[in-house]
Formats: sequence, C-alpha cells, structure tokens
Amino acid sequence: DTAVSQTPKYLVTQMGNDKSIKCEQNLGHDTMYWYKQDSKKFLKIMFSYNNKELIINETVPNRFSPKSPDKAHLNLHINSLELGDSAVYFCASSPLGFSGANVLTFGAGSRLTVL
Amino acid sequence: GQNIDQPTEMTATEGAIVQINCTYQTSGFNGLFWYQQHAGEAPTFLSYNVLDGLEEKGRFSSFLSRSKGYSYLLLKELQMKDSASYLCAVMNSNYQLIWGAGTKLIIKP
Repeated sequence: DTAVSQTPKYLVTQMGNDKSIKCEQNLGHDTMYWYKQDSKKFLKIMFSYNNKELIINETVPNRFSPKSPDKAHLNLHINSLELGDSAVYFCASSPLGFSGANVLTFGAGSRLTVL
Repeated sequence: GQNIDQPTEMTATEGAIVQINCTYQTSGFNGLFWYQQHAGEAPTFLSYNVLDGLEEKGRFSSFLSRSKGYSYLLLKELQMKDSASYLCAVMNSNYQLIWGAGTKLIIKP
C-alpha cells in the first residue's frame, strides 16, 4: 500500500538510449510532480501536473516528456540520454496545487546512471 | 533571483540539541517547509510555518521570522536515526517551491 510508487528504482543505460520512469500514487491527490536531484542534492522541479493537465514546465530539454494518462499516474520519458542526465528522479504528489500548505509526498526515487 | 541558504553540514552529539538555520530570498512568501531526507531515500515532510513564531512537534520545532527571511529547525534529544539531510523549502507568491540544497546532519555517539 505504498503511497507514491515509482519504477524502476535503478536504471543504468548507455548514452543515446531512450528510457521511461513510471509513477503512480494512490493518495487521491490532484497534483503530481517530477523532480531531479543532482549530485549536489538540489531538488529541481521539472514538471507539475494538476488533474492530468501540465501546470509547471521548467526549463528542461525537450528530450524529457512527461505523460499523465490519469490523475493517479505521471510517467517520464527521456530520449537520447546524455551523461548529464545522471541523477535521482523523484516523483511526488500533493493534494493541492495552488495552496500554501501544500505538503508533498515523494516516491522512493529512481537513480538513473548514464554511461 | 530566488535562493535558499542553509549550512552544508553539521555535526552534533547523541542526546544533544542542534539548530539548523535557513535564510531565504524569494519573490513573495506562502509558507516555509522542512523535510528530512535519509541517504538514498525520499524526502519526508517535517513541518510547515506560515506565521511568525515557533511550531513544536515532539522533539522537533521550527521557527519562522518573515521580516528577517529566516527559519530554523530545532532538534532535541538527538538520536542516531536523526542523521539525515534536512531540506528547507519556501513557497513563493506563484506557489512554486524553492528548495535549499539541504544540511547534512551527522550524529556522533
């Protein structure tokens, strides 16, 4: 009964490949996010979806494409992987998109290593 | 620009008290969050402050001064399991979360 689950947990791949990370939440939350945490530990927002609709799209290369088939799922597809894409990618969800007390629940993270 | 500053690393002794500071400069303010992240795990929510003052939750307390752009997280009766990174995040006027890089807290016996 994991609240926010993402797969795979580890992903090792070659430069130039295409890969996907899947995320699902069973909390009934309306808003879902993708974050990237690099080696310096900064959490950077990549995308945010509210009820399947894209509401935040930060300056991210268009090789990254999110897809939300329904409000419980937000997947991340990455084309033509580069060395700099190596990081931990966290999926998160929250009950409210535009509210101060907007507590995020994170998935366990997907560690992507590009060789 | 918007930024969150917190110390990179702190060390404390089991049973002691430690205060982790966070200063911020953001475009507007809709609340400040503290999250705990153990190595290799997901961040988990600790506290939320939107009004000035101290919020206490068991061994953990969080303080906010909006006029000074300052918060701290106070951890009492430190336990070994408190070894983790503590992330400060501020929600700005656009309801975007701005994150600090986190403070790695090392607890020694």
